[in-house]
Amino acid sequence: QSLLTQPPSVSAAPGQEVTISCSGSNSNIGSEDVSWFQQFPGTAPKMIIYENNKRSSGTPARFSASKSGTSATLGITGLLPGDEADYYCAAWDRGLSVGMFGGGTRVTVL
Amino acid sequence: QVRLEESGGGVVQPGRSLRLSCAASGFTFSSHTLHWVRQAPGKGLEWVAVVSFDGNKFYTESVRGRFTISRDNSGNTLYLQLSSLRPEDSGLYYCARQDKSLDYWGQGTLVTVSS
Repeated sequence: QSLLTQPPSVSAAPGQEVTISCSGSNSNIGSEDVSWFQQFPGTAPKMIIYENNKRSSGTPARFSASKSGTSATLGITGLLPGDEADYYCAAWDRGLSVGMFGGGTRVTVL
Repeated sequence: QVRLEESGGGVVQPGRSLRLSCAASGFTFSSHTLHWVRQAPGKGLEWVAVVSFDGNKFYTESVRGRFTISRDNSGNTLYLQLSSLRPEDSGLYYCARQDKSLDYWGQGTLVTVSS
C-alpha cells in the first residue's frame, strides 16, 4: 500500500497544463526531499525532478515541481502527446526508514 | 557512461529462493547508495531495499526477514537474495543508483513466483 497518495489519472488537451498532487506525512514529504519519475510503457522509470524542484539534465522547462508542508506537486505545461506516461512521486520516510513511491498517475493527452 | 544491468530473474515456485544481481559500470560503485525497486505486472513502483555506500541496509516491511540486499564493491555488483518467495513477490525488479535521487536505473529482471 502506497503511503504517498497520487490521483490515478489526469488528462488535458495538447498545449494545456496538468498538475499532479502527491500527499504524504510529516515523516516523509514533510521532512525529506521529493523526487518525481516518468515511466513510459515497457521502459524503466526516469528521474525528472529531484530535491523537490530541481529538473534533471534533459528535463524540459515545461516540467516544474514544488513542495509545501506534507504535499508536493508536479506541473506540466504546454502538454505534448509525448508526455503521455505514468508519473510517480517518491520520498524517504525517516520514521519508518523505508523508501516509498506514490501509486502513480497516468497522464493522458486528449 | 553509467550502466546498471540486472540478471537472475526467472520462474520459481512459492517458498523457493532466487538471487538477483545488478552489474554496475561507469561510476565509482563503492561511493554510491544502491536500491532495489520492483513493479508487479500492470502495477506501480514499490521500493524494496537499500544498501548505503557504508553498508547500512533497510527493507520494506513485506520483505523484511525474507530478502537480503548486499553489495560487492570489488566486483561492482549489487545483489538481492530472495527467500521464502510468495506469488505477490512477482514482478520486474530494478536496481537503481542514488545520487541526490535515483538517477540511474537498470532495465529490470523479471521474477515470477508460481506453482
